Amino acid sequence: KAGVTQTPRYLIKTRGQQVTLSCSPISGHRSVSWYQQTPGQGLQFLFEYFSETQRNKGNFPGRFSGRQFSNSRSEMNVSTLELGDSALYLCASSWSGGEYGYTFGSGTRLTVV
Amino acid sequence: AQTVTQSQPEMSVQEAETVTLSCTYDTSENNYYLFWYKQPPSRQMILVIRQEAYKQQNATENRFSVNFQKAAKSFSLKISDSQLGDTAMYFCAFMNSGGSNYKLTFGKGTLLTVNP
Repeated sequence: KAGVTQTPRYLIKTRGQQVTLSCSPISGHRSVSWYQQTPGQGLQFLFEYFSETQRNKGNFPGRFSGRQFSNSRSEMNVSTLELGDSALYLCASSWSGGEYGYTFGSGTRLTVV
Repeated sequence: AQTVTQSQPEMSVQEAETVTLSCTYDTSENNYYLFWYKQPPSRQMILVIRQEAYKQQNATENRFSVNFQKAAKSFSLKISDSQLGDTAMYFCAFMNSGGSNYKLTFGKGTLLTVNP
């Protein structure tokens, strides 16, 4: 079966721009989570969605937002990009909430210049 | 807030040998889940093994096993018969159970290199 698909794989944006990343979970998975990975801060939780509802949110500024559609696909948006937003953004999906383990995508590498 | 500590930034092992990666965590909760994920150069995080805190028996998955010491808040990963394909970054992760606590707290990771 198809895995978790994240698009695009690579992205270069300029400071001040906004960006939208997409994640298609494994078929049947209703929970989608997003993580930011940087060399300095490591892996940090952004938010988690289940059946179009945000159930949990990490400690990130309001410039980071997300949503989930009725087909469980999810998008995350970052507005007014800063250099520090350069990171690997990972999406993960699961049946319920990840307590049995997540399936991760290969990530979107965002570079802000 | 929960914290996860991996004290070994890098480790190396010879092919076919055994290696143990350390992880400690801090929580006031009694029920939770612990995980080891590996991240090879392909970037995709892969679940290696999972442990439920209320189960005393240590989890095993083929060559991978854990030593879960709840009182000591320790969760180490043992890899037996190491293979070149085990070369990756390994992350220990914690998740609370119950409520809407569906988020992982990760350690900083241990880079494991398996040498031929």
